[in-house]
Amino acid sequence: EPEVTQTPSHQVTQMGQEVILRCVPISNHLYFYWYRQILGQKVEFLVSFYNNEISEKSEIFDDQFSVERPDGSNFTLKIRSTKLEDSAMYFCASGVRVPSSYEQYFGPGTRLTVT
Amino acid sequence: EDQVTQSPEALRLQEGESSSLNCSYTVSGLRGLFWYRQDPGKGPEFLFTLYSAGEEKEKERLKATLTKKESFLHITAPKPEDSATYLCAVQGNSSASKIIFGSGTRLSIRP
Repeated sequence: EPEVTQTPSHQVTQMGQEVILRCVPISNHLYFYWYRQILGQKVEFLVSFYNNEISEKSEIFDDQFSVERPDGSNFTLKIRSTKLEDSAMYFCASGVRVPSSYEQYFGPGTRLTVT
Repeated sequence: EDQVTQSPEALRLQEGESSSLNCSYTVSGLRGLFWYRQDPGKGPEFLFTLYSAGEEKEKERLKATLTKKESFLHITAPKPEDSATYLCAVQGNSSASKIIFGSGTRLSIRP
């Protein structure tokens, strides 16, 4: 069964450093998403991406964040200058989003630890 | 503003003891209500989508139902492997794409 994959599974970085989190969505999906989950808290929407542009973003997704689909298979989240409060699990998701199917399928996540 | 509230926060059951998890929602035009299972340190695993009041979906020991204000996830004769956090989420017509999640119900099944 097709799955969303994410790398790395765990990233440790120092405050102020840049990180890139990578995702390979399910191959026939056209909509891509990033969510985050701070330990013990809700899963929170960050951004959605369709047709090579951002279609929606949350208040969390400020200028330190960016997304890119550098080729036909990868989808990346870049955090430019990490802060301690960016420590969280980051989940990539993908979906087809047709009227009969709005589901989003999630990857296993990248645990980001900022020290 | 779209909102999702789940109860109880945690539920401990004996193996075989059936129960229900509740998800109350407020959304401006429901596009879909989703149930996910999340194991510790893992990503949400898709279970069901419900689109309109009265709809029901089943998968093994789980059955999801939907009304205009809430959804229930019924678990029948649970097994220890059903232990997980169950997340409810909604997508409303006001959003192009984002899903709003509830805080989840931590379900623990004792053998």
